[in-house]
Amino acid sequence: KAGVTQTPRYLIKTRGQQVTLSCSPISGHRSVSWYQQTPGQGLQFLFEYFSETQRNKGNFPGRFSGRQFSNSRSEMNVSTLELGDSALYLCASSLNAQGEAVLGFNEQFFGPGTRLTVL
Amino acid sequence: AQTVTQSQPEMSVQEAETVTLSCTYDTSESDYYLFWYKQPPSRQMILVIRQEAYKQQNATENRFSVNFQKAAKSFSLKISDSQLGDAAMYFCAYRTPIQGAQKLVFGQGTRLTINP
Repeated sequence: KAGVTQTPRYLIKTRGQQVTLSCSPISGHRSVSWYQQTPGQGLQFLFEYFSETQRNKGNFPGRFSGRQFSNSRSEMNVSTLELGDSALYLCASSLNAQGEAVLGFNEQFFGPGTRLTVL
Repeated sequence: AQTVTQSQPEMSVQEAETVTLSCTYDTSESDYYLFWYKQPPSRQMILVIRQEAYKQQNATENRFSVNFQKAAKSFSLKISDSQLGDAAMYFCAYRTPIQGAQKLVFGQGTRLTINP
């Protein structure tokens, strides 16, 4: 079974531009979460999508947005890039985030990340 | 809000020795999940071990085991017989058991070096 894939793996942008990152979950997984990893702030939760709906959101400005398609693939968009947006962006997918007591534990599987550099 | 603290930014251990990484957390919830993730230089996050708070028994996965002290809100990871491939960043993480919540709260990480 293929793992979580993220594209592109590396990206260089300039301040003020916008960027779109893509995440393809493991086949059959319906939940996709996004995290930002920086040396200063560590790993921070951005948002989570399940069945095309944003279900959870972290404390990031509105410049950060996302969406999920019917095939569970997800994209995140950052508008008006700032230098501080330079980071590794990780996505994680899980099978089914509902009814864990019945269905059992749903492990999150991470992708390799997209390294975004803002100049 | 939940917080996770890893007080050891760096640790090193001799190959084949045992090392313990520390993690404390703060929460008002009585039930939750705790995890240790490994992030090697490739940056791919890998789940090492997990613990459900309602389980008193400490989780074990081969050479990896945890010491879960719920009252003290402590969750340490012990790696036995350390191998060169264990070198990585290790992150402790918390997750609420609320149905549908997939948000992980991470600690700042501990960089583990294995000396041959």
